[in-house]
Amino acid sequence: GAVVSQHPSRVICKSGTSVKIECRSLDFQATTMFWYRQFPKQSLMLMATSNEGSKATYEQGVEKDKFLINHASLTLSTLTVTSAHPEDSSFYICSARAYNEQFFGPGTRLTVL
Amino acid sequence: QKEVEQNSGPLSVPEGAIASLNCTYSDRGSQSFFWYRQYSGKSPELIMSIYSNGDKEDGRFTAQLNKASQYVSLLIRDSQPSDSATYLCAVNREGGSEKLVFGKGTKLTVNP
Repeated sequence: GAVVSQHPSRVICKSGTSVKIECRSLDFQATTMFWYRQFPKQSLMLMATSNEGSKATYEQGVEKDKFLINHASLTLSTLTVTSAHPEDSSFYICSARAYNEQFFGPGTRLTVL
Repeated sequence: QKEVEQNSGPLSVPEGAIASLNCTYSDRGSQSFFWYRQYSGKSPELIMSIYSNGDKEDGRFTAQLNKASQYVSLLIRDSQPSDSATYLCAVNREGGSEKLVFGKGTKLTVNP
């Protein structure tokens, strides 16, 4: 399968700070990447679809000004959680589409104190 | 609301047995169906994809799809303790959408 990386794998920050998460497709080009969030014991919830060279498409209820997505190249999408608060603490996972399938990065565990 | 339903389990089987995981979906327009395995604290890993009615086999895994019944299943033969994980069923949204809708997952435990 295709390989997707994420960085950082874990981040702890203070309330009010911003955190940037990177998602890279390592061995393929991805015009479309997806950002998910997963709270403990819950399933994945799609936050937004990241499109290379254009604006991201956000799911209903996801604040686009809080979760900034940039897809500047065919191998890199970034998610910035702005002014993070404790309720934003979660497992953030990106995926990229290749061969009609979605492959996930290893995830980033965000803890906001 | 379009949904993907799974039995949350936990499902417990002895080592060497067949584990059967089930999933139903509500959107008749869905065309692509996936099974992911997620170990605790890790991200999902693609196990199987299936697009047409019938069975698809890959090693110890068999996916079954019945679009008329809006039902997809995953069979794991000769279950191993390393198969213990949460299995997520995912279905693409209507038509050819790239977006996936995930079930809540079934937690499988394989007992040695």
